[in-house]
Amino acid sequence: NAGVTQTPKFQVLKTGQSMTLQCAQDMNHNSMYWYRQDPGMGLRLIYYSASEGTTDKGEVPNGYNVSRLNKREFSLRLESAAPSQTSVYFCASFPGTGRNEQFFGPGTRLTVL
Amino acid sequence: GEDVEQSLFLSVREGDSSVINCTYTDSSSTYLYWYKQEPGAGLQLLTYIFSNMDMKQDQRLTVLLNKKDKHLSLRIADTQTGDSAIYFCAENDNYQLIWGAGTKLIIKP
Repeated sequence: NAGVTQTPKFQVLKTGQSMTLQCAQDMNHNSMYWYRQDPGMGLRLIYYSASEGTTDKGEVPNGYNVSRLNKREFSLRLESAAPSQTSVYFCASFPGTGRNEQFFGPGTRLTVL
Repeated sequence: GEDVEQSLFLSVREGDSSVINCTYTDSSSTYLYWYKQEPGAGLQLLTYIFSNMDMKQDQRLTVLLNKKDKHLSLRIADTQTGDSAIYFCAENDNYQLIWGAGTKLIIKP
């Protein structure tokens, strides 16, 4: 039982390049989330998927797209990376019942030059 | 919209108690949470409190909730160097969490 996994752990991009961050969970959770974390700003929600087949914008969706491929996987795509997207990205999942605990992956540290 | 606020830093001496404070705005939250983030790692749930409780104790951790003032606190007794981390307060809003900016706990020897 690996929990929430993310790949890659680190990535350096040049401005304008594209990439996809992968996230998978093996806990059969309904909801999945993508956050970015910047110093002094806490976690900001980029996109979320309340259930398989649905996605919704969060607080900071501009410059990103997501795909909920199946119940396990939720990917985040940067089509044309910008330096302002330099951040640490976290994926999280949530079962949809109980105490609403979100389970986090280890994060992807992205630098855009 | 909903907002969660907490101070960015707290410095305490090893062995003392740490008290991290948080204020929130959404009075309909069912749960309030404290998450811990160690350097270079993701966030892990430390403890939580149900909104109809005033206090919850779990070993060295005490959570106090003042619903009237919308104030949440986390007390860590006998603070150790392993408690060095960023502590995030969060409240639930349906299936989303509203996050504070995080309080970095610094332990002085």
